[in-house]
Amino acid sequence: GAVVSQHPSWVICKSGTSVKIECRSLDFQATTMFWYRQFPKQSLMLMATSNEGSKATYEQGVEKDKFLINHASLTLSTLTVTSAHPEDSSFYICSASVTVRGNEQFFGPGTRLTVL
Amino acid sequence: GQSLEQPSEVTAVEGAIVQINCTYQTSGFYGLSWYQQHDGGAPTFLSYNALDGLEETGRFSSFLSRSDSYGYLLLQELQMKDSASYFCAVKPSYSGAGSYQLTFGKGTKLSVIP
Repeated sequence: GAVVSQHPSWVICKSGTSVKIECRSLDFQATTMFWYRQFPKQSLMLMATSNEGSKATYEQGVEKDKFLINHASLTLSTLTVTSAHPEDSSFYICSASVTVRGNEQFFGPGTRLTVL
Repeated sequence: GQSLEQPSEVTAVEGAIVQINCTYQTSGFYGLSWYQQHDGGAPTFLSYNALDGLEETGRFSSFLSRSDSYGYLLLQELQMKDSASYFCAVKPSYSGAGSYQLTFGKGTKLSVIP
């Protein structure tokens, strides 16, 4: 149980294009999902907290107009990187917490974005 | 704000025991978690302490002292597959609906050698 999937697992795009990343909880309902970004050999940095049916809460320094988050259902949250640039290249990871498992966060496999 | 300190690298021999320390300074605190991450993979949950003391899960144990703002992860009977990065993470705030935010340390890269 507590499986989180992400799609795609990797994507390469041209500068200026937009990329959508999906995060799904497969065997449970996730009221809250989290989006992280991780640069090589660095830690995970929380980008935003996504609550089903409401606007995401973004961390300081994260542009909400550039990183659009939609949490339309209890099993799906999407992150859209708009007008991507090379500096947006990173490993994007989502997670969901499971109340019955002590509120621990379970992570998706991540999406590696490369912007040319 | 939040800050967590843990060693950047640790090397240990297969079969040995290794301890990875974590000290933290946070505005709020609901618990300390440990995650393992292999290169190119996603973090996987290892252990969690909300109260002082030792939690044991198989070869892995985790300890917390809230008064000292300190915790550690203990790995016993090290195996080659334990080579990975290990992150401590605190829960500094409640996000609502039973969820808590996590703030991660910078990670400790563990190398297990034969």
